[in-house]
Amino acid sequence: QSALTQPRSVSGSPGQSVTISCTGTSSDVGTSNSVSWYQQPPGKVPKLIIYDVNKRPSGVPDRFSGSKSANTASLTISGLQADDEADYYCCSHAVTYVIFGGGTKLTVL
Amino acid sequence: QLHLQESGPGLVKPSETLSLTCTVSGGSISSNTYYWAWIRQPPGQGLEWIGSIFHTGITFYKPSLKSRVIISVDTSRNQFSLNLISVTAADTAVYYCARELGGVIDWGYWGQGTLVAVSS
Repeated sequence: QSALTQPRSVSGSPGQSVTISCTGTSSDVGTSNSVSWYQQPPGKVPKLIIYDVNKRPSGVPDRFSGSKSANTASLTISGLQADDEADYYCCSHAVTYVIFGGGTKLTVL
Repeated sequence: QLHLQESGPGLVKPSETLSLTCTVSGGSISSNTYYWAWIRQPPGQGLEWIGSIFHTGITFYKPSLKSRVIISVDTSRNQFSLNLISVTAADTAVYYCARELGGVIDWGYWGQGTLVAVSS
């Protein structure tokens, strides 16, 4: 069970939108409705921002949205803000185990 | 407000056992809804799920770590624990305990994390 594949880095200017992909296999992302995303600013604890593919916990702005197609899940952040700069991790359930993506560093230019 | 706090040695010698405890306050570990998890992050690297436990003792482990990991729960103390045997430098990481929000792998509650270094 290798890590889910994410781009190492993405960037965008304030106000723009960015999308981070998370590619797995038919054994995890492809068949799971339990895909979550975490935001981790430098030196901080990870924070849940998306669960069950496209649901947001209370308090997470609707600028954050999730989706899935086949073996790839995606996180879209619209209206980029400076404090969105962080590492982002996807995570998928795979029957009897859980697998994270390698992480994507988002830089707000 | 649910609070999770990791505790344990910050330094472990190679080949020895890493033992950590997560103490839960503000809620019961015996809830019939949530799994509790250990997740780690080596310095400068990504997140890695180690395993999860239900209050009844049902456990799931990362397959590549399964032979070295035991996660247990003590409902009387509202704690759950991680034991990782035969550690090497590759096990050096910040170790987090976490709880699901109410679904599956939606870890909405995290401890602050504790750095464990494996070194002689």
